[in-house]
Amino acid sequence: GAVVSQHPSRVICKSGTSVKIECRSLDFQATTMFWYRQFPKKSLMLMATSNEGSKATYEQGVEKDKFLINHASLTLSTLTVTSAHPEDSSFYICSARPLQATTNEKLFFGSGTQLSVL
Amino acid sequence: GQNIDQPTEMTATEGAIVQINCTYQTSGFNGLFWYQQHAGEAPTFLSYNVLDGLEEKGRFSSFLSRSKGYSYLLLKELQMKDSASYLCAPWDSGAGSYQLTFGKGTKLSVIP
Repeated sequence: GAVVSQHPSRVICKSGTSVKIECRSLDFQATTMFWYRQFPKKSLMLMATSNEGSKATYEQGVEKDKFLINHASLTLSTLTVTSAHPEDSSFYICSARPLQATTNEKLFFGSGTQLSVL
Repeated sequence: GQNIDQPTEMTATEGAIVQINCTYQTSGFNGLFWYQQHAGEAPTFLSYNVLDGLEEKGRFSSFLSRSKGYSYLLLKELQMKDSASYLCAPWDSGAGSYQLTFGKGTKLSVIP
């Protein structure tokens, strides 16, 4: 089956620093990737939709200048949390939609990144 | 936007059957997904329903009624490893792109 690699799986950083999270589709091309955030015991919340070669579309309430998304190729999207603060501590998950997705295609999820900001 | 409602928690006994219900409202509908998520892990795909009726896949079955905005996930012969959160995710075609909105999830605890 299709594999999405997300890296790093866990990161601890100091407040004020920036953290980059990578999401790669290993054996398929993905024109669209999605970034989610999940706080403990809460639902996955869509943060933004990332389209290859164009600007990401952010959900309401998500700061685009704080959560920078780059989708430079059909196999890689990155999320950079800039000037991280403790309230940004969360579980971040990416998912990818294959290029040849049909109407009943399912998304493929990365394994997630646990971000802890001290 | 969407309004997705599913129970917060459920408990069931090993070997039993449990049904997790989900009601939703969407501006456009293009199917509904169920995902399983163990704590600290990414969701894994369980099922996708686009037509009314029951889809059976091994121990797991999923039902959809589009007119009622209702779905359920049925888990049979429960095993301890089935303890997880189960997320209902309707695909709202009104959003204009392939994006899912997840319900808050139902935390299922399987006890001996």
